[in-house]
Amino acid sequence: QVQLQESGPGLVKPSQTLSLTCTVSGDSISSSIYYWSWIRQPAGRGLEWIGRIYSSGSANYNTSLWGRVSISIDTSKNQFSLTLTSVTAADTAVYYCARGASGWVWGQGVLVDVSS
Amino acid sequence: QTVVTQESSFSVSPGGTVTLTCGLSSGSVSTSYYPNWCQQTPGQPPRTLIYNTNVRSSGVPDRFSGSILGNKAALTITGAQADDESDYYCGLYMGNGIWVFGGGTKLTVL
Repeated sequence: QVQLQESGPGLVKPSQTLSLTCTVSGDSISSSIYYWSWIRQPAGRGLEWIGRIYSSGSANYNTSLWGRVSISIDTSKNQFSLTLTSVTAADTAVYYCARGASGWVWGQGVLVDVSS
Repeated sequence: QTVVTQESSFSVSPGGTVTLTCGLSSGSVSTSYYPNWCQQTPGQPPRTLIYNTNVRSSGVPDRFSGSILGNKAALTITGAQADDESDYYCGLYMGNGIWVFGGGTKLTVL
């Protein structure tokens, strides 16, 4: 059974770069069947899709984050990562990683606070 | 930019049936949008109930069903139980690798 676990700093200063990693167990991230996504949720608000990546490295992003967001994949470590630059308080949220293509399988989420 | 629309809140009596919908600010939802439905209780990650319009995820009770009703995707809960009280989110595939979530529906069972 696949499991996903997010990790990374819980506090990031404004204007700096947010970096998170998702470690996948119970499945190979090299599978061509699935894609690997990041989704976030500000406190008390709804879900926002950030982007996704295939094992080939092909990625798609939310156009509202275009230019600030990048998702990468490391098949040797069975991990994929999120980078979000020039963060502001509006980027404070719980960040989830998820496996997609046959219904999202979600990680537990990690809270990232953007604050000085 | 197209917005995915959901009812902000809904209530259902225990044992009753409720249908939540997921639409578009412009246009109709079809199976080509591969509607997904996720359930979330406070403090927990979402859980996918339905994907590809009407496919139940593993372990999801058959009282949850998905469909297209008119120009919207729909999630129907038959025989609502107290622990169905949750937030429900739909996600739609917009093409070109892009997904968009609706704002969510807060379901109350009372």
